[in-house]
Amino acid sequence: NAGVTQTPKFQVLKTGQSMTLQCAQDMNHNSMYWYRQDPGMGLRLIYYSASEGTTDKGEVPNGYNVSRLNKREFSLRLESAAPSQTSVYFCASGQVANTEAFFGQGTRLTVV
Amino acid sequence: GDSVTQMEGPVTLSEEACLTINCTYTATGYPSLFWYVQYPGEGLQLLLKATKADDKGSNKGFEATYRKETTSFHLEKGSVQVSDSAVYFCALSDRNTGFQKLVFGTGTRLLVSP
Repeated sequence: NAGVTQTPKFQVLKTGQSMTLQCAQDMNHNSMYWYRQDPGMGLRLIYYSASEGTTDKGEVPNGYNVSRLNKREFSLRLESAAPSQTSVYFCASGQVANTEAFFGQGTRLTVV
Repeated sequence: GDSVTQMEGPVTLSEEACLTINCTYTATGYPSLFWYVQYPGEGLQLLLKATKADDKGSNKGFEATYRKETTSFHLEKGSVQVSDSAVYFCALSDRNTGFQKLVFGTGTRLLVSP
């Protein structure tokens, strides 16, 4: 069982470069999420998709865009990377509110 | 908005010591509460959960009770092991949204020495 798969695992970008983080889940979940994890800040929600065809901003959406390509895939795009976007990014998927959310292994992004 | 506050770490214990990690929450409705664990280099995994007041979640010797009167969900374990060294996150989810949207605390790092 793959669960939630994120690619790449590591990435170094120069300021101003763009990139897309990929996420796919094989659990037939309706909802998918992108979080960033920073020291002392816990995980903060960037964007989420409650169901296929919908996306909404979370707590820290500035500088990011997302695409819910289909039920399985939810990508996060940085159009012009900034050093403040250096972080570990986690994709997650889940179903109803009182059940488990499943996380990918994360993407460690460094912007220099 | 909803928020979660948990004790700062690191928490450093010797093997077989008792553990308590405090977690309190603020929510407008009646959230579900969770503890997630993150081992080094990995993503988060659900450790335990409770969906209504007075529910006790338990797993791998860890326990937490949903206390509505004190808005708390403290994580406890009677005897920790070196393998429990990890970062622990308290989180809540508003059940009224109809889907899983978690609000996390800042995390507490636990270090257990032999």
